[in-house]
Amino acid sequence: GIQVEQSPPDLILQEGANSTLRCNFSDSVNNLQWFHQNPWGQLINLFYIPSGTKQNGRLSATTVATERYSLLYISSSQTTDSGVYFCAVEGYSGAGSYQLTFGKGTKLSVIP
Amino acid sequence: EAGVTQFPSHSVIEKGQTVTLRCDPISGHDNLYWYRRVMGKEIKFLLHFVKESKQDESGMPNNRFLAERTGGTYSTLKVQPAELEDSGVYFCASSQDWGADTGELFFGEGSRLTVL
Repeated sequence: GIQVEQSPPDLILQEGANSTLRCNFSDSVNNLQWFHQNPWGQLINLFYIPSGTKQNGRLSATTVATERYSLLYISSSQTTDSGVYFCAVEGYSGAGSYQLTFGKGTKLSVIP
Repeated sequence: EAGVTQFPSHSVIEKGQTVTLRCDPISGHDNLYWYRRVMGKEIKFLLHFVKESKQDESGMPNNRFLAERTGGTYSTLKVQPAELEDSGVYFCASSQDWGADTGELFFGEGSRLTVL
């Protein structure tokens, strides 16, 4: 199946700093999404970005499908940005379905 | 338009008890998925419904888990009997399309299950 690798696994930032999270994937994909799991466990949709660049406030994402990677940029980080950021890509399960395969996530801690 | 809603948001049960989680997908979305994240590991696929039919249940861990989607609307995921290793967050997602390009999957906020 498709492999998804995220880096770094852990990241500690001072409030106000910028960061870049990376997602590499092993095969061509039709769908790539970024999520934020907050400290309460809730999963928040951030971006649906199979290719190109999108921006939403302090967050932006870029996917270069031909080179099989995606980047999530967080600018002027705030403590509420803390949590785990997941990248997920679509692949064929081999059992009759297309499904998202998640990376192991990047755990971000923003300290005041 | 309402998003994917899940209930309960948090459930605490004892080992051996039964829990039923519910998911209401976005109206009009034929595709419904269950995923879970246990013990700080990555989020894993459980199963996929197309309308009321199970398209793929290859991710279901064992026969203690039973998913249903009556009438192709909401879905339930029952764990019976619950074990300690079932603790985690269970996510439901829905999408409009199916096939090689499902489009965006919309996730609910999850149901946290704690088994004591």
